[in-house]
Amino acid sequence: KAGVTQTPRYLIKTRGQQVTLSCSPISGHRSVSWYQQTPGQGLQFLFEYFSETQRNKGNFPGRFSGRQFSNSRSEMNVSTLELGDSALYLCASSDGRDYYEQYFGPGTRLTVT
Amino acid sequence: AQKVTQAQTEISVVEKEDVTLDCVYETRDTTYYLFWYKQPPSGELVFLIRRNSFDEQNEISGRYSWNFQKSTSSFNFTITASQVVDSAVYFCALSEYGANNLFFGTGTRLTVIP
Repeated sequence: KAGVTQTPRYLIKTRGQQVTLSCSPISGHRSVSWYQQTPGQGLQFLFEYFSETQRNKGNFPGRFSGRQFSNSRSEMNVSTLELGDSALYLCASSDGRDYYEQYFGPGTRLTVT
Repeated sequence: AQKVTQAQTEISVVEKEDVTLDCVYETRDTTYYLFWYKQPPSGELVFLIRRNSFDEQNEISGRYSWNFQKSTSSFNFTITASQVVDSAVYFCALSEYGANNLFFGTGTRLTVIP
């Protein structure tokens, strides 16, 4: 079974631009969660999508948004990028049967200049 | 509010030594889950173990063992006979029952010296 895939793996953007990151969960998994990892703040939960609906949301500004498609693939969008948005963005999927066991992808490293 | 504390920022051990990574958590929930994840240099978080708050049995998996003590709100992780491949950052995490968001500690960077 293929693991969680994230594209792109690396991204460089300029302050003020917007960016879209993609996550394909493990086949059959319906829950996708997004996390931000920075040296200063560590790993922080952004949001979770389940069956195309946002089910849970962390404490991030509205510039961070996401969506999930009918095939469970998810995208995360960050608008009006700030230097502080530079981070490793990790996506995790779970299958619902073993609800709390999340499998993480390799992440997308975003650098904002 | 949930909080996970990993007081050890970095640990170095010589290969074959045993090492224990500490994790202390805070939560008002009576039902919750605790996790350990490993993050090698590649960046991908690798699931190691999940424990629910009703199960205080210690667990052993090969060279890995976990000690969950609800009385002290601790969930410590021991690697026996460490190997160079164990070098990574290890994260302890907590989730509320019925929620799929993980609260992570700040991680412990383990370096195993050959």
